[in-house]
Amino acid sequence: GAVVSQHPSRVICKSGTSVKIECRSLDFQATTMFWYRQFPKQSLMLMATSNEGSKATYEQGVEKDKFLINHASLTLSTLTVTSAHPEDSSFYICSAGRAQGLAVTGELFFGEGSRLTVL
Amino acid sequence: KQEVTQIPAALSVPEGENLVLNCSFTDSAIYNLQWFRQDPGKGLTSLLLIQSSQREQTSGRLNASLDKSSGRSTLYIAASQPGDSATYLCAVKGNTGKLIFGQGTTLQVKP
Repeated sequence: GAVVSQHPSRVICKSGTSVKIECRSLDFQATTMFWYRQFPKQSLMLMATSNEGSKATYEQGVEKDKFLINHASLTLSTLTVTSAHPEDSSFYICSAGRAQGLAVTGELFFGEGSRLTVL
Repeated sequence: KQEVTQIPAALSVPEGENLVLNCSFTDSAIYNLQWFRQDPGKGLTSLLLIQSSQREQTSGRLNASLDKSSGRSTLYIAASQPGDSATYLCAVKGNTGKLIFGQGTTLQVKP
């Protein structure tokens, strides 16, 4: 299957700092990527949809100024957690589908996830 | 609003047993349904993808069925092994392209 890579896999930061997480599709182009967060022992909650070349669309209750998403190319989307606080500590996972046509009906591939710990 | 429910939340079985995990969804207008496996602290591994026009998919000891009209899917695991221990997540995709997840079933297979 297709490969989606996330970096870093783990990051620890101090409260008030910003952290950037990268999501790359390694062997396919993705016009759309999705960002999820997962709290311990809970399921994945969709945060936002990242669209190449345009603004991301955020789910209700997700602060767009807090979680900045940039999808500058067909293989890279970034999530920046700005002014991070301990309550932002979570597991962040991205997913991507192949570009065009199959984007809605096709399979989504997931990254390995990034665990953020804010002290 | 699509809601996905998985039952049971947790399951413990002895090695060798066949088992069924259940997934239900409230809006039958879906494009596909995926079953994933997640090991503790890890990302998601896609197990099976069923398009809305399909009834089932099989991969090795895994078989997933889909009854779109009733909003149900099952994941059947044959001859379970300790290595199957993980959390299994069901997710459905609607016309927005978004994947909506269930809460998962945590499976423990005891040797």
